[in-house]
Amino acid sequence: AQSVAQPEDQVNVAEGNPLTVKCTYSVSGNPYLFWYVQYPNRGLQFLLKYITGDNLVKGSYGFEAEFNKSQTSFHLKKPSALVSDSALYFCAVRSPYGNNRLAFGKGNQVVVIP
Amino acid sequence: DAGVIQSPRHEVTEMGQEVTLRCKPISGHDYLFWYRQTMMRGLELLIYFNNNVPIDDSGMPEDRFSAKMPNASFSTLKIQPSEPRDSAVYFCASSTTGQGNTGELFFGEGSRLTVL
Repeated sequence: AQSVAQPEDQVNVAEGNPLTVKCTYSVSGNPYLFWYVQYPNRGLQFLLKYITGDNLVKGSYGFEAEFNKSQTSFHLKKPSALVSDSALYFCAVRSPYGNNRLAFGKGNQVVVIP
Repeated sequence: DAGVIQSPRHEVTEMGQEVTLRCKPISGHDYLFWYRQTMMRGLELLIYFNNNVPIDDSGMPEDRFSAKMPNASFSTLKIQPSEPRDSAVYFCASSTTGQGNTGELFFGEGSRLTVL
């Protein structure tokens, strides 16, 4: 079965500092990995994905994520956090085979302090 | 495309009443998912469909919950009778792996249900 772990409940970072949100995964075969962001009272929005190729993927709003197969991780990063990045972030994984069902992590609340 | 459209955005009802939530997926998407989000339990998958056929409903909490997808452009999630513990935000999402797509989900804005 596929699963995702997001070990931290909340990530606090000062505005302008680097932001990292951690994610590790478990899946059979090569993973399809995704990051989503949820702003208050909104649905989840797709940020970026890793399917194959370069381990560093870039997405919306200046975010990027690095796939590390040996550590089964897919950490989300942003070089310089903005107050507007304060939101709930979800990591998700699925197998390239079978159905389209994604396994989501529990989410991380990111708070960017002005 | 307008994205995934859900209605109503907000619903307040009394315990015992029937609640129907509606979803219109993105045109051309062949997968549709219903999720529930609460502070206590996070994001839970309730049921999902492929080509209008329910594939996995193991996340549906009880027989009070039912979901249908009569055609490719419409789905409903019904709770009858509703209870206060059903209060949550219900999300619909759609996806496809056709034409080289990789199955990322596109979510609606959610339906916030409050059962008094």
